Amino acid sequence: DIQMTQSPSSVSASVGDRVTITCRASQDVGSWLAWFQQKPGKAPELLIFAASSLQSGVPSRFSGSGSGTDFTLTISSLQPEDFATYFCQQANSFPWTFGQGTKVEIK
Amino acid sequence: EVQLVESGGGLVKPGGSLRLSCAASGFAFSAYTMNWVRQVPGQGLEWVSSISGSGGSKYYTDSVQGRFTISRDNAKTSLYLQMNSLRGEDTGLYYCARDLGGATNLWGQGTLVTVS
Repeated sequence: DIQMTQSPSSVSASVGDRVTITCRASQDVGSWLAWFQQKPGKAPELLIFAASSLQSGVPSRFSGSGSGTDFTLTISSLQPEDFATYFCQQANSFPWTFGQGTKVEIK
Repeated sequence: EVQLVESGGGLVKPGGSLRLSCAASGFAFSAYTMNWVRQVPGQGLEWVSSISGSGGSKYYTDSVQGRFTISRDNAKTSLYLQMNSLRGEDTGLYYCARDLGGATNLWGQGTLVTVS
């Protein structure tokens, strides 16, 4: 199975800050990488697919980059509604696997 | 409205069975691969199973292979997960999710399965 490792596991940031979350795959997943946001008590929501494509309706302050084994999710200017947990997920091969999550908390 | 609504969760003893359902509406259900993803509350996400739009291709995570069966009824726009020989580690919130080329872009609210 492909292991997905996110870092950091949590980050404290202020409104307006730039936040970067990284995701590393244990083997090459090409561009088959998605990012999700999850708020407490809610289902995950897709932010980015194919490593860098912004899902319809997602604010442009979210961006994704990378290919192969190293990926990044960037929030350019953190907004109050962005405090949540973020997960990466590879879909290069079954079983699809998720990172352990990064919790973005208010500083 | 485009939505997925899961049902069928509950409390079951180890070794028991449950059948989860997911009712889809507002989109061309048969055109999409569908997935089940589970989550222990407060923890991470685990992909469980996928089924192609026609139902001809099915995939499972190793821990449920041989115990769980994914199926769909395109006429009823519904997805199912038959879960047999349930174990404590199967406890979690089970989400039905629509696939977009490897990224799930529509999720239900989840149905809770507790094995105890």
